[in-house]
Amino acid sequence: GENVEQHPSTLSVQEGDSAVIKCTYSDSASNYFPWYKQELGKRPQLIIDIRSNVGEKKDQRIAVTLNKTAKHFSLHITETQPEDSAVYFCAARISGNTPLVFGKGTRLSVIA
Amino acid sequence: KAGVTQTPRYLIKTRGQQVTLSCSPISGHRSVSWYQQTPGQGLQFLFEYFSETQRNKGNFPGRFSGRQFSNSRSEMNVSTLELGDSALYLCASSLAGTTPGGEQFFGPGTRLTVL
Repeated sequence: GENVEQHPSTLSVQEGDSAVIKCTYSDSASNYFPWYKQELGKRPQLIIDIRSNVGEKKDQRIAVTLNKTAKHFSLHITETQPEDSAVYFCAARISGNTPLVFGKGTRLSVIA
Repeated sequence: KAGVTQTPRYLIKTRGQQVTLSCSPISGHRSVSWYQQTPGQGLQFLFEYFSETQRNKGNFPGRFSGRQFSNSRSEMNVSTLELGDSALYLCASSLAGTTPGGEQFFGPGTRLTVL
C-alpha cells in the first residue's frame, strides 16, 4: 500500500522567514495530495491540496509543489507568523475508494 | 451546516475493558474514516465505512472494529483495552466517491486514556 514519509519532524523559524516541509510517497498511482494543519488541542483542518495534473498551487502565503517523477511534494509557507505554529500533516490518496495515508507530521514553531 | 461531532470527548478506562466511540458526520457525507493519533506516529488509519460497509481497513488488530448505520453515523469499538491504546481517536467524514479529491472533515476527537 501507499507509504508517506514527511520531513523534518520539527522545524523552528524566525517570524517573517519561510518554512518548507517535504513529503515523499511510494505509490506512483497516487494523485491527490492534501495538507492539514492541526493547532494545539484542535482538530486537523485542510489548508491546501493539489492534484497530480497540477505542478504547483498557491493560496496567499501558502504554496504546494508536486514532482510526480520524483514522487515528492512540498509545502511552502512564506512570511511566517506566530499563528502558523502548529503540526502540519501531508497525505496522499490514489482514489476516492482508497484510504488517505498521512505522514507523521511536522511541528512548526514560529519564533517572534 | 453542522460539523463532525464525536462523543464522548474524554474517556478513562482500565486494561481489559472495552469502549465504544461515536461519530456523527456532516449531513450528506456518506464516508466516515477513523484514525488513531499518538505523539510521533501521526494519524494512523483504522478503517473507513461507506454506505454501511467497511471499504478499507488499516493494520490494526481485530480488537478494533467499527460499524456504520443507515444515517451514516459510525461507531468504533475497542475490546480488551491495552495501555498502548491510549490515544486521540479522530473520525473524519467526506462526500466520497470515486474521485480522490474529496476533502475530509475531522471531528474534535475522543481522548482515550487506558489505566
